Amino acid sequence: EADIYQTPRYLVIGTGKKITLECSQTMGHDKMYWYQQDPGMELHLIHYSYGVNSTEKGDLSSESTVSRIRTEHFPLTLESARPSHTSQYLCASSPIAGAGNEQFFGPGTRLTVL
Amino acid sequence: AQSVTQPDIHITVSEGASLELRCNYSYGATPYLFWYVQSPGQGLQLLLKYFSGDTLVQGIKGFEAEFKRSQSSFNLRKPSVHWSDAAEYFCAGGYKLSFGAGTTVTVRA
Repeated sequence: EADIYQTPRYLVIGTGKKITLECSQTMGHDKMYWYQQDPGMELHLIHYSYGVNSTEKGDLSSESTVSRIRTEHFPLTLESARPSHTSQYLCASSPIAGAGNEQFFGPGTRLTVL
Repeated sequence: AQSVTQPDIHITVSEGASLELRCNYSYGATPYLFWYVQSPGQGLQLLLKYFSGDTLVQGIKGFEAEFKRSQSSFNLRKPSVHWSDAAEYFCAGGYKLSFGAGTTVTVRA
């Protein structure tokens, strides 16, 4: 069973607050990803990482930032949350750094910004 | 650009009936294709994957998918659906794992 964790699962916060969404995996995967998903909609890649100290922006522009200081940890930060950031955020990891790219997903964090 | 498309936004099926979800891909080389399922409020779970070899792929929960290069398709099937199969289904593929828009499956009693 894939071990990838996201905390918190649900977060309701006021506008202007700084938040960090946590993502950790215990599978030793090199690649990690953050997706944004509005209810009933497709997934949009917002950040990904090939390994420690590697971060790249995804297909969908996002005001969030990420860091990859440890292999197992890939947190996402919003410096100043706004209602437009309300969404579900999914973290994933992949054991293959090339073709194939099977991803394992965490349970997601549902963020609501008031 | 490499992409996958899911033509059906929503499908309703009776419990016990068969289910087929469509997925089309556009890639030049042999594609890497996946089907994921997402229950409400949850992350995505891998149902099955195709890299090469046998074009009929068996997955978990009684699902299977068939890769058809001539039709650029990778359709998901289940012979007899259960109420617990109600969920969102995503086809995905490609080097950077592009996702389709998803198909919502509703199961009626």
